[in-house]
Formats: sequence, C-alpha cells, structure tokens
Amino acid sequence: QPVLTQSSSASASLGSSVKLTCTLSSGHSSNIIAWHQQQPGKAPRYLMKLEGSGSFSKGSGVPDRFSGSSSGADRYLTISNLQSEDEADYYCETWDSNTRVFGGGTKLTVL
Amino acid sequence: EVQLLESGGGLVQPGGSLRLSCAASGFTFSSYAMSWVRQAPGKGLEWVSTIGYTGASTYYADSVKGRFTISRDNSKSTLYLQMNSLRAEDTAAYYCAKIIAAVTGYWGQGTLVTVSS
Repeated sequence: QPVLTQSSSASASLGSSVKLTCTLSSGHSSNIIAWHQQQPGKAPRYLMKLEGSGSFSKGSGVPDRFSGSSSGADRYLTISNLQSEDEADYYCETWDSNTRVFGGGTKLTVL
Repeated sequence: EVQLLESGGGLVQPGGSLRLSCAASGFTFSSYAMSWVRQAPGKGLEWVSTIGYTGASTYYADSVKGRFTISRDNSKSTLYLQMNSLRAEDTAAYYCAKIIAAVTGYWGQGTLVTVSS
C-alpha cells in the first residue's frame, strides 16, 4: 500500500506564501491525493483533490489562496497571503486497493 | 447543508465494547460510501474503515480487523462502528466521513473514545 511522507513542521510569515509537500512512495507516484486542514481543537476539513497532472478541485468555501500542484511523486499545497487562521495541521490522503492512507501531517506556524 | 453527527463515545474498560453512530443529513446518504477515521490524542489521522454505499462492501485497517465492524442503515441515514475487544491504543477521537469521488470529502465533528481501567 502507498506511504505518504510529509515534513513535520513548517513556518512562514503573515501575508507571505508557503508550499507544503506530500511525497508518494515508490510505485504510487501517479496517485491522486487529497489535502485536509485541521485547525487547533477542530475536526479536519477537506481542502482539495489533487491529481498527478497538477489539476486540482477544491472543496466548497475553500479560499482562492489555497492551490495545488504536482511534480513526479510530489504533491504540493500552496497557501498564499497567509492569514492567522491558516495556522493548522495539514494532512494529505490517498487510497489504493480499498485502503486509505494519511500522511503524518505538517504543522504550519504563521509567524 | 451536509451534517454528520457522531455519538456513542465514552469511557470503556480494556476488553469492552462500544458502538458509535453517525447520523447523516443534507444529502442522499444511500448514494455515498462512508468511512471512519480516528485520531489518538496529539497524533495524526488514521483510517479505520470504509463501507460502500449499499453496505455490501467493507474494508478495514489491519489494526482493527476482526475487532471492529462497520455497518449502515440507509433507511435511517446512519453509519455505525461496532468496536469490540477494545485496547488502550484505540483511545482516540473517531470521525465519520463522507466519501465523494473517492476522496474523504466531508468530516463530522468527532466523538471521543477512551479505553482505560
């Protein structure tokens, strides 16, 4: 089954941009993934579905500041014009052979 | 508006059982696969189980296979998770989730399960 690798933490300044990475394991580089956001003390929220081509589709109400892109086995979540409410944990997810897998999550700190 | 409302969590002793429920509204429940995902305190998300829209197909993480059973009642728009032989490592917030086009597209607010003597 696929494995998703994420950096444990990231930080960026208010108003700047940040690019988070999710890397698919060998043999799964073409997998579609999803990005989810979890603000402190809250349930996760679906952000977007991201294909290997870089095409992405966002969930309802997700701001335009959030976008996705891909390169090989890497899937990216870019957040521009960072706001304080973007400080959260970000998880990627994929699926294969009826198994779903989550990455370990990246804790984003907005400075 | 889509709503997923989990219930049934609580404190249970090791070896005990608990049944979680997830009441769905705001969409045609019988048309969507559903999942349970859990999160241990201070840890990341862990997929637990998925059930197809008819209930005929079920899938489990190795960590719960043989102990947990996912089911659904489409007439009541409700998803269930029967948890038996509970262990301390099953302590977590359990989230009900709606699968949309193969993606976990909507999350409930979660219910907390604590396994402790």
